[in-house]
Amino acid sequence: GQQVMQIPQYQHVQEGEDFTTYCNSSTTLSNIQWYKQRPGGHPVFLIQLVKSGEVKKQKRLTFQFGEAKKNSSLHITATQTTDVGTYFCSWSGGYQKVTFGTGTKLQVIP
Amino acid sequence: DGGITQSPKYLFRKEGQNVTLSCEQNLNHDAMYWYRQDPGQGLRLIYYSQIVNDFQKGDIAEGYSVSREKKESFPLTVTSAQKNPTAFYLCASSITSGRDTQYFGPGTRLTVL
Repeated sequence: GQQVMQIPQYQHVQEGEDFTTYCNSSTTLSNIQWYKQRPGGHPVFLIQLVKSGEVKKQKRLTFQFGEAKKNSSLHITATQTTDVGTYFCSWSGGYQKVTFGTGTKLQVIP
Repeated sequence: DGGITQSPKYLFRKEGQNVTLSCEQNLNHDAMYWYRQDPGQGLRLIYYSQIVNDFQKGDIAEGYSVSREKKESFPLTVTSAQKNPTAFYLCASSITSGRDTQYFGPGTRLTVL
């Protein structure tokens, strides 16, 4: 069956350093979405990627969807303390069911 | 003001009691979802509904039940059959199921004593 791994599970960075989280699938994904959950909060949608090789940017955040549509990444340039939280990827599979990755928890040290 | 609401924010129950968590949306979305989140873990799908009067089991439906009698409401009942009910419960909705963006409510933190 389909397996999607999100790595790393945790990441501590010094403020100003870059950060990347990855979602890697064993099968082709039709689309992938990224969400951010602040501590104590609820997930908030960031972006959706649909096309092979797609790259989208939101200020310091860069999202990529692999050519084979089996992997995706979220990269944050020059992290700030406001970037703290857990970042999740999600994808839709059979029966229109949406599945979320296990998340990457980002801590930014001021 | 459009959005998705969950109440209450914190809920305490004694072991063996059923409890119903509320989820309401005024976004006119067809699809609604319930997730469970445990500390340090991701979101696990309990139930989802693509349209009124229809719902499907997610990955961890055992010990839970839902209803979807109205488009705007998708209550979740945590029954006494759920072995470890203490968790953070998140409700979400989307225009349709599958590819659409999910909008989450603020969540209900359930503690069973």
